[in-house]
Parts: sequence; C-alpha cells; structure tokens
Amino acid sequence: DQQVKQNSPSLSVQEGRISILNCDYTNSMFDYFLWYKKYPAEGPTFLISISSIKDKNEDGRFTVFLNKSAKHLSLHIVPSQPGDSAVYFCAAHDRGSTLGRLYFGRGTQLTVWP
Amino acid sequence: DAGVIQSPRHEVTEMGQEVTLRCKPISGHDYLFWYRQTMMRGLELLIYFNNNVPIDDSGMPEDRFSAKMPNASFSTLKIQPSEPRDSAVYFCASSLSGQYGYTFGSGTRLTVV
Repeated sequence: DQQVKQNSPSLSVQEGRISILNCDYTNSMFDYFLWYKKYPAEGPTFLISISSIKDKNEDGRFTVFLNKSAKHLSLHIVPSQPGDSAVYFCAAHDRGSTLGRLYFGRGTQLTVWP
Repeated sequence: DAGVIQSPRHEVTEMGQEVTLRCKPISGHDYLFWYRQTMMRGLELLIYFNNNVPIDDSGMPEDRFSAKMPNASFSTLKIQPSEPRDSAVYFCASSLSGQYGYTFGSGTRLTVV
C-alpha cells in the first residue's frame, strides 16, 4: 500500500525552464516531508525538506510547496540545469510513529535537455 | 565522516548461491535501514534496526532473506539461496534519533544469473 505516490515516472524539461515534480500522500499523520535526489550508481542524497506547519520552503533554485488540504507537495526547480537530471524521491515521516522510518514514493526521473 | 559504507559495490552470482551484502553505518547513528530499488517498486524498505535490534522486517520478501546487526557499526543482508528476481540495487541507510533524514550508502548492485 503506497502511502506516498509519485504518479509521474518521468519528466523531461528544457534547460532554463521550470521543472515541477509532484507527490501525493494519503496519511494525514505525516508531519515532515523530504525530497531526495539520486544519480546513477549513487545512493539517494537529501535535497530539501518541509515541515507540515509550513507551506513553502526555498533553498536556492529549489522550492518545495505543501498543500495539506490536498495532501500534495511539489518540488520546483528554477531554472533547470542539465546537472539536475536524476531520479527524485519524495519521502514522508509519520508523527504517529515513534521510530525513525520514512515512507518513499517510487521516484520521478527528471531529464533536463540543453 | 566517511558516510555509510556498503560492500561490495557490484555482485554477480549464480542462482542458488548465497549472497551477503555488508553495511557500515555512520558512527553514532542508531537507526539502520535496508532498502531495495527496482523499476517496478521504487525504493522498497526491507528491514530496519534501532540500536542493533530489528524493529520491522515485514518488508523482507521471503525466508530466503535475513539480516543481522551484531553491533552498532556493522550489518549484513543475506540471501540464501539467491534467485534471478532478487537482482536489484540494495541500499543501506542510517539515521540518528530526532533527525528526519537518512544518509544512504552508494548501494550494491546485485545480479543473479
């Protein structure tokens, strides 16, 4: 049962334009959300996060938006660069869980072309 | 800090053979997770430990899979006997209580022929 869903397996964007990666969740107990980025032959690395008490968090070219009523979050990358081409995973923490588990989506492959 | 260290990076084995994957978490981290990445399922949690104790192994696909954490600095994931459908990238990750994020290792790409 997938509690975190990334319904777009892939996204292709031209360099310089905006990339928008989407994530939906079903568990209203999720209190913290993270995005991880994964290059081929490497492990996922942390990119940006947001607490459920906020609706936006920005870090340079990366902004995450959270819409709690819709149980939806999105990652915006502006402007997109070829080096952003990677798999992006959305993850969430359940505040009902006292243990440190994250729930991951299946990932979206972003390709940024020149 | 050397990060989470996994070995081997690549493993090719024949069906029926035993495979052991190894992980050294970040020193001081008290959570350790084993994930498997496939095209079909994305990142799939297999098992995780807290203070060396297995907490949830419901993601372990079959009895052929087993994991141990004999001490705070070492964990193994064993598959015996291995099958072609076990071919995937296996990741180990560690984290610290009170922190949300994990640090992942570089993974072990397993190919069972």
